[in-house]
Amino acid sequence: EPEVTQTPSHQVTQMGQEVILRCVPISNHLYFYWYRQILGQKVEFLVSFYNNEISEKSEIFDDQFSVERPDGSNFTLKIRSTKLEDSAMYFCASSVGETSVVETQYFGPGTRLLVL
Amino acid sequence: AQSVTQPDIHITVSEGASLELRCNYSYGATPYLFWYVQSPGQGLQLLLKYFSGDTLVQGIKGFEAEFKRSQSSFNLRKPSVHWSDAAEYFCAVDNSGAGSYQLTFGKGTKLSVIP
Repeated sequence: EPEVTQTPSHQVTQMGQEVILRCVPISNHLYFYWYRQILGQKVEFLVSFYNNEISEKSEIFDDQFSVERPDGSNFTLKIRSTKLEDSAMYFCASSVGETSVVETQYFGPGTRLLVL
Repeated sequence: AQSVTQPDIHITVSEGASLELRCNYSYGATPYLFWYVQSPGQGLQLLLKYFSGDTLVQGIKGFEAEFKRSQSSFNLRKPSVHWSDAAEYFCAVDNSGAGSYQLTFGKGTKLSVIP
């Protein structure tokens, strides 16, 4: 069964450093998402991406965040200058992208980011 | 604004007992509702979803959920819990009725199973 994959599974970084979280969505999916879950809190939407551009973003997704689809398979989330409060589990998700119907999102296993 | 409430943070049941996890939503348009499960070290796995039609939906692993519009609820049930069901369960609402594909999640309910 096709699945969303994410690398790395864990990442430890120093405050102020840049990190790139990588995701490989399900191959025939066209809509991609990033969510995060701070320890003990809700899973929160960050951004959605369709047709090579950001479709929607939350207020969390400020200028320090960016997303990219650098090739035909990867979808990345970059955090330019990490802060302590960026420590969280980051989930990538993808959906088919038939935008006339409700989308079912399939999630990856997550990357746990720890900022020291 | 749309919101999802899971009133139980942690539930413990004995193996073989029945289970009901509560979910209430606040949403102006027709809600599209999901239950996801997260096992330790794993991602979010889709259990079931409700879009329209029959208000009782069946999912994987023997789970079902019932949509009750009058109560704004979408409770998850299983008649007989297995030890492998120990995990965290998340209810979510899709906002596509409002032109957005983002999911709004509840805080989750952690399920412990006593052998």
